[in-house]
Amino acid sequence: DSGVTQTPKHLITATGQRVTLRCSPRSGDLSVYWYQQSLDQGLQFLIQYYNGEERAKGNILERFSAQQFPDLHSELNLSSLELGDSALYFCASSLGQVHNSPLHFGNGTRLTVT
Amino acid sequence: AQSVTQLDSHVSVSEGTPVLLRCNYSSSYSPSLFWYVQHPNKGLQLLLKYTSAATLVKGINGFEAEFKKSETSFHLTKPSAHMSDAAEYFCVVTQNSGYSTLTFGKGTMLLVSP
Repeated sequence: DSGVTQTPKHLITATGQRVTLRCSPRSGDLSVYWYQQSLDQGLQFLIQYYNGEERAKGNILERFSAQQFPDLHSELNLSSLELGDSALYFCASSLGQVHNSPLHFGNGTRLTVT
Repeated sequence: AQSVTQLDSHVSVSEGTPVLLRCNYSSSYSPSLFWYVQHPNKGLQLLLKYTSAATLVKGINGFEAEFKKSETSFHLTKPSAHMSDAAEYFCVVTQNSGYSTLTFGKGTMLLVSP
């Protein structure tokens, strides 16, 4: 058990809708990272927050946004959903803010857009 | 710039035989290298990490990897495969200069037969 909790485990929704994915980091970790995993693109880094502040941005679409709250949990908001957004979304956490700190991954949220 | 190439998308071994998963990387600066494992319907788990200390790195579950700068390789090995090793393995690179995100390889699926 990594200590990172993601909810929900599965999400099925229709095109054009909006969803929110939630992540609680491992106790004591200050950084939260969001990744998208799909068969064709592999694992893609979306965004990182450190202690409530955005730290780095990757291949995150403008339709997607995220935030980290004072209690350090994070939410990833996906809007105007398209079929191609169907993927596994992972949250990871680490103690530090640099990417060579080991990451602890949650079990992911599987999003299916129909 | 940084990149990572996992040379095999699938590797099949018999239980009790050695495992070799190949990874080549490129990095403009001194790299940090990782191997992560992903079991079905689970998040990624760190196997081992190289950060410019010893070139032979020992990880969990009997895995080890050797950093070879001249060959820009970081291959993962295990002397004797176990059925529970069947999973997808990801080689990951980041740079130890400035602020750099992680770049994941496409993954190698390890199949272990009895």
